[in-house]
Amino acid sequence: KAGVTQTPRYLIKTRGQQVTLSCSPISGHRSVSWYQQTPGQGLQFLFEYFSETQRNKGNFPGRFSGRQFSNSRSEMNVSTLELGDSALYLCASSLSGGQGDEQFFGPGTRLTVL
Amino acid sequence: KQEVTQIPAALSVPEGENLVLNCSFTDSAIYNLQWFRQDPGKGLTSLLLIQSSQREQTSGRLNASLDKSSGRSTLYIAASQPGDSATYLCAAPLLTSGTYKYIFGTGTRLKVLA
Repeated sequence: KAGVTQTPRYLIKTRGQQVTLSCSPISGHRSVSWYQQTPGQGLQFLFEYFSETQRNKGNFPGRFSGRQFSNSRSEMNVSTLELGDSALYLCASSLSGGQGDEQFFGPGTRLTVL
Repeated sequence: KQEVTQIPAALSVPEGENLVLNCSFTDSAIYNLQWFRQDPGKGLTSLLLIQSSQREQTSGRLNASLDKSSGRSTLYIAASQPGDSATYLCAAPLLTSGTYKYIFGTGTRLKVLA
């Protein structure tokens, strides 16, 4: 069974631009969560999608948005990029996103904002 | 505020040593706790998932325990090897602002010396 895949693996953008990251969950998994990882803040929860609906949201500004498609693939969009958005963005999939589910992570997308 | 804390932040041991990594959490009513491994610049690899009804989980040289009453989990690594060098993270779904979110510890950076 293929694992969680994320594309692209690396991105370099400039301030003010926008970016879209993609995540394909493990086959059969319907929940996709997104996280931002920085050296200073560690791993922080962005949002979770289940059945094409945002079910949970962390404390990030509205510039961070996402969506999920009917095949459970998810995209995350960051508009008006700031230097502080430079980070490793990780997505995780689980069967239903329930509290007892095991989470499986993708390799991440390394975003650098210049 | 719901928190997950990991001590120590960094650990350096000679090859062959047995070692224990600690994880503390603020909510004794957790559903589960998951241990991950992260190599530099990479995604997270799930090591062990302990459900709230379990006290221990084992996989090869790894053993994780969970004590909900004291809010602690430990990851025991037997006969450490240089290939075990990585950052180890624990995470648990904790009730935050009315919903459950996966909260991660800041990690323990382990270096096993040959």
